[in-house]
Amino acid sequence: AQTIHQWPVAEIKAVGSPLSLGCTIKGKSSPNLYWYWQATGGTLQQLFYSITVGQVESVVQLNLSASRPKDDQFILSTEKLLLSHSGFYLCAWSLDNERLFFGHGTKLSVL
Amino acid sequence: QQKVQQSPESLIVPEGGMASLNCTSSDRNVDYFWWYRQHSGKSPKMLMSIFSNGEKEEGRFTVHLNKASLHTSLHIRDSQPSDSALYLCAASMDTNTGKLTFGDGTVLTVKP
Repeated sequence: AQTIHQWPVAEIKAVGSPLSLGCTIKGKSSPNLYWYWQATGGTLQQLFYSITVGQVESVVQLNLSASRPKDDQFILSTEKLLLSHSGFYLCAWSLDNERLFFGHGTKLSVL
Repeated sequence: QQKVQQSPESLIVPEGGMASLNCTSSDRNVDYFWWYRQHSGKSPKMLMSIFSNGEKEEGRFTVHLNKASLHTSLHIRDSQPSDSALYLCAASMDTNTGKLTFGDGTVLTVKP
């Protein structure tokens, strides 16, 4: 069975500080991986997607970057957090490009 | 303009009642619709998907799709307080990338 693990579960960070969020997928080789962001009470917005190691496509510019250093790993990061980065970050993987499964998410509060 | 519109924004139904949620896409490239449920503070969980005209039933949940009007609806019968959540409709417009476009959701509250 496939499992998806996100870390950390929650973060409280200062404006201007760096951020790194991680996601690993087990039990599925070469998955399509995604980062989504959900502002409090807001809609889910796709940020990045990756169909293979080393390749990441940006969907929305939010002063964030993503990397896929390994087949089963997807990293979201920024060198300087903004207040507007607060929200719920979700990593997801897709099966056959038709179904999306989410991790448990990371709640980020930027103060 | 939002490509996936959901209505109503919020809905209150009594326990045991029927909840009906709607979703329409403005993009004719849509080929799949999904319904997700998200409890407060949790990640979305997929409920059902539909890609062909008609109806699909799984337990208390029924999904309808009219491809001509790009409209899908989710119906929950015998609603339970545990069904209270944000219901998200998503449309797939690019199966090469697996990108889904989500609507803003419907907040369902089931009153005991």
